[in-house]
Amino acid sequence: GESVGLHLPTLSVQEGDNSIINCAYSNSASDYFIWYKQESGKGPQFIIDIRSNMDKRQGQRVTVLLNKTVKHLSLQIAATQPGDSAVYFCAENQPGNTPLVFGKGTRLSVIA
Amino acid sequence: DTGVSQNPRHKITKRGQNVTFRCDPISEHNRLYWYRQTLGQGPEFLTYFQNEAQLEKSRLLSDRFSAERPKGSFSTLEIQRTEQGDSAMYLCASSLDSSGANVLTFGAGSRLTVL
Repeated sequence: GESVGLHLPTLSVQEGDNSIINCAYSNSASDYFIWYKQESGKGPQFIIDIRSNMDKRQGQRVTVLLNKTVKHLSLQIAATQPGDSAVYFCAENQPGNTPLVFGKGTRLSVIA
Repeated sequence: DTGVSQNPRHKITKRGQNVTFRCDPISEHNRLYWYRQTLGQGPEFLTYFQNEAQLEKSRLLSDRFSAERPKGSFSTLEIQRTEQGDSAMYLCASSLDSSGANVLTFGAGSRLTVL
């Protein structure tokens, strides 16, 4: 879900379960998307990316799905581990030479 | 290469003082970005450089903010006459100019607290 004001949406999952984090992006002409993970006190860290000519891309334990029809991006994490606890941001590359635009983030909390 | 380096990591200052942050990007990256992040929000773009040229500035970047990248390597972000609303994490990122796949590598950030 998307945050309202200062409240960050939180997803709590049991260790070993799969996690799905959702993001609604803003520009239908965006051509490239990235998921970042941010742990407390650190900068955002690249997880996985996808171009707009794809609808699915898999990495190690992570899968990104892109639905351009509804401007929706999701990040699936398989067998979630305590080390996956962090805030996750989607970012979109809008047309032209513009910088990445970030969404508001989702906090993932893994229960051991 | 140790990635993107930022310093200081933390800065506490009184309102009205000037502060300067430094960013050392990944050496082969020609683009350097500054973002600002407040609690519970995603990073917000401030400005970016391609080599030494400052190509874009956000409306968030008031006249009290200035950024430089004099030799196309490290960059500084100065905030003059700080206000309490400037309290935030200032993130630097760098990237290779790659059409359509601009992956930004971020530093750990410089956290500013204005009292």
